[in-house]
Amino acid sequence: DVKVTQSSRYLVKRTGEKVFLECVQDMDHENMFWYRQDPGLGLRLIYFSYDVKMKEKGDIPEGYSVSREKKERFSLILESASTNQTSMYLCASSTSSGSGSLGLREMIVQFFGPGTRLTVL
Amino acid sequence: QKEVEQNSGPLSVPEGAIASLNCTYSDRVSQSFFWYRQYSGKSPELIMSIYSNGDKEDGRFTAQLNKASQYVSLLIRDSQPSDSATYLCAVNLGSGNTPLVFGKGTRLSVIA
Repeated sequence: DVKVTQSSRYLVKRTGEKVFLECVQDMDHENMFWYRQDPGLGLRLIYFSYDVKMKEKGDIPEGYSVSREKKERFSLILESASTNQTSMYLCASSTSSGSGSLGLREMIVQFFGPGTRLTVL
Repeated sequence: QKEVEQNSGPLSVPEGAIASLNCTYSDRVSQSFFWYRQYSGKSPELIMSIYSNGDKEDGRFTAQLNKASQYVSLLIRDSQPSDSATYLCAVNLGSGNTPLVFGKGTRLSVIA
C-alpha cells in the first residue's frame, strides 16, 4: 500500500513564525503535491514537484515555499505565518505513466497523506 | 479555464437507495478520471478510477464515463449511512505532466 505521512496532525503557531510542514512517501513516486483545503473552496494546489530539486507553482503559491532535496520528502514552508493561512494542509504523491494519449507522460492517481490542521493565532 | 464542476449538494438519499453523483469537465483531451471519498476531517481516499467510455463496477460503486458529453458519474447502490461523505471528482487534463484537477466535491448524506 502507498503510504504518505505528514509530520503533524495538528499544529498551532503564532503570527510571524516560520512553519515547516513535512511530507514523506514510501512508494518511490516522482511527483509530490501540497494542497490546502478550506470550507467551500475545495482543494487548492499550492506547489508541486515532479522531480528532486524541481518545483512548480500551483494556484496559490503566495506566502509559501517548498523544498525537495530527496525523492521521498517534500516540505512546505510558511516563511511568516499569517492568520489567513489557518487551514487543513494535505500532501499527496503520484507516479507518472509512460505515455499518455498525446504521447506525453501523464501524472496519474494521487494518494494523500492524513493532513495537517494548522492554526495560526 | 480548464475546470471540473460538481454540484456541491448536500445530496440526501434514504438508506438502501441509489446515490448518483455527477461531474462535468471542460477539457476534451482528458483521459483519466477518479473519484475520491472524503470523510469530515479526513483526507481524500481513492475509491474509483475510470479511463474508457462506459461503466466500471466495483462492489456497490459504479463509475460511468461519457467522453463525448464530457461527464463522469458515480453511482452508489444500497447506500449506507457510512457512505455519508464528500465525493471529489478528479480529472487528468491529458496535456502532459500536470496535476489532477479536482472538483469542489458533492456532499452526500445517507439518511437511516
